[in-house]
Amino acid sequence: QKEVEQNSGPLSVPEGAIASLNCTYSDRGSQSFFWYRQYSGKSPELIMSIYSNGDKEDGRFTAQLNKASQYVSLLIRDSQPSDSATYLCAVSDNYGQNFVFGPGTRLSVLP
Amino acid sequence: DTAVSQTPKYLVTQMGNDKSIKCEQNLGHDTMYWYKQDSKKFLKIMFSYNNKELIINETVPNRFSPKSPDKAHLNLHINSLELGDSAVYFCASRRTSGETQYFGPGTRLLVL
Repeated sequence: QKEVEQNSGPLSVPEGAIASLNCTYSDRGSQSFFWYRQYSGKSPELIMSIYSNGDKEDGRFTAQLNKASQYVSLLIRDSQPSDSATYLCAVSDNYGQNFVFGPGTRLSVLP
Repeated sequence: DTAVSQTPKYLVTQMGNDKSIKCEQNLGHDTMYWYKQDSKKFLKIMFSYNNKELIINETVPNRFSPKSPDKAHLNLHINSLELGDSAVYFCASRRTSGETQYFGPGTRLLVL
């Protein structure tokens, strides 16, 4: 059974701080890794994807991947109240067809 | 123009009924998915179609039957609805060569 695990939270950070979200996965054959943001009552939207070990930066977001440790993280710099949402980690298989999602971490950015 | 649309948005029905949810995408994608998100927000893949062919069929009761009449549409029919079927059902699509999935707005199903 392929699994993706995340701390459910809630993770509370003050406005302007760095929010750090973590994710581990069980399938060593996983090739692609994604972070989705889901606001309450809305559908998930992709914010970052990462495929190779190391860091990938996009604006205030940085995704980090360590395949040896089977670990993916998302850093949000200068957190804003509008970043308050549930963040879903997703992992896809070698064929890029099947996506397994984690349970999500609820982030609350306090003004 | 909505990229991935689902109908209906809300569905309230009695146990034992049969219902259908429809999904359409106008992005020209060739892969479409059905996901179920339960009350604990766990998003689980149910089915995936590529060019109208079923390629992923996770462990889902056979009361659930997907149908893809063409590449732009993927419908989900549910027979003999049970209380545990209450959830939000999301349709998603992507290009086979692309990684980004685009999700529909969801259908909130409540079985009484």
